[in-house]
Amino acid sequence: DAGITQSPRHKVTETGTPVTLRCHQTENHRYMYWYRQDPGHGLRLIHYSYGVKDTDKGEVSDGYSVSRSKTEDFLLTLESATSSQTSVYFCAIGSNEQFFGPGTRLTVL
Amino acid sequence: RKEVEQDPGPFNVPEGATVAFNCTYSNSASQSFFWYRQDCRKEPKLLMSVYSSGNEDGRFTAQLNRASQYISLLIRDSKLSDSATYLCVVNPWGDKIIFGKGTRLHILP
Repeated sequence: DAGITQSPRHKVTETGTPVTLRCHQTENHRYMYWYRQDPGHGLRLIHYSYGVKDTDKGEVSDGYSVSRSKTEDFLLTLESATSSQTSVYFCAIGSNEQFFGPGTRLTVL
Repeated sequence: RKEVEQDPGPFNVPEGATVAFNCTYSNSASQSFFWYRQDCRKEPKLLMSVYSSGNEDGRFTAQLNRASQYISLLIRDSKLSDSATYLCVVNPWGDKIIFGKGTRLHILP
């Protein structure tokens, strides 16, 4: 399995609070991605990175920001969490084939 | 036409049977195709890539039909452990990877 970890694995927070999810990889891969997965929608791309400090938006980027200061870490921040951001968040690496982390289950009350 | 479309199922199939499902894609310029497997509450995992000539991995066979713009996955001698959701993934050249919403498969004892 690709060396990808996500933290935290589970989080419950309240509306309006900031939340940061971390993705860490040991594969030294250039490309990293954040997805959310919701029933009826499948996997949707939030943001992705193609190198340190190089990031771009995906199809559902509103309300999210990302940072990548090191090759191995890709952070996803919800500046002010809303209930609509309750979801399962997956990090992935790869350019053609992608490999996923174990996911973070986020509940916003 | 949706970018990547799959029958959501569920397909309820007796153990030992053969099951097949298709996935259609809209972008004729798509270059790479994959099948992923996702178990309940787990991350998607790469099952197999789909090549123009088709490919086989044990009980699994994947095929690509560029003329009709679909890929298929055939599972022979199905096992209880094959129960999962199967995601079709299309990688258009120069654009972001697109995930289907998945087909649920239940293998019945």
